[in-house]
Amino acid sequence: NAGVTQTPKFQVLKTGQSMTLQCAQDMNHNSMYWYRQDPGMGLRLIYYSASEGTTDKGEVPNGYNVSRLNKREFSLRLESAAPSQTSVYFCAGEGGDTDTQYFGPGTRLTVL
Amino acid sequence: GENVEQHPSTLSVQEGDSAVIKCTYSDSASNYFPWYKQELGKRPQLIIDIRSNVGEKKDQRIAVTLNKTAKHFSLHITETQPEDSAVYFCAASKGDYKLSFGAGTTVTVRA
Repeated sequence: NAGVTQTPKFQVLKTGQSMTLQCAQDMNHNSMYWYRQDPGMGLRLIYYSASEGTTDKGEVPNGYNVSRLNKREFSLRLESAAPSQTSVYFCAGEGGDTDTQYFGPGTRLTVL
Repeated sequence: GENVEQHPSTLSVQEGDSAVIKCTYSDSASNYFPWYKQELGKRPQLIIDIRSNVGEKKDQRIAVTLNKTAKHFSLHITETQPEDSAVYFCAASKGDYKLSFGAGTTVTVRA
């Protein structure tokens, strides 16, 4: 099993550009999550999907949209990137065979 | 929402000594408390967790204790080794699909 995978690993955007971060899992997770990690602030939840077909806002949803394409895939979209969105983004999955959240390897995003 | 505070933010210990990290939470409905370890440039990985019906849990050199009355829980690492150097995060959940994380503790084990 590949676990939770994310693409891309690194990305540099200019202010105003858009992009989609991809996440996929093969661990039969029901729930999937997007977090951002900034120095000294831990992990903050952006959006989550408790099950296929549902999505909900987390702590810091502004400037982001998500799509739960199917049970395996959960994407995060930045419509108009801002420098404040420079961060490391982690996707996570939970449920199915476990109630622990497992994280992907992360995407390091820089917005100039 | 849930607020999780974690202390200290940095911790330096001599190899072989113990390390203790403490977290407090605000929502008495929280019932699941995982701890994650994150090495530099890597993803957070679960190292131990505890549920509210248990007061203590141990796994080799790592232990977690929970005091529901005081709403705090702690991570104890004994006989620290250089590979224990990392950032450690506590988290809390009340079973609503969401984890609230502490800000993290950077642990450095000195040889």
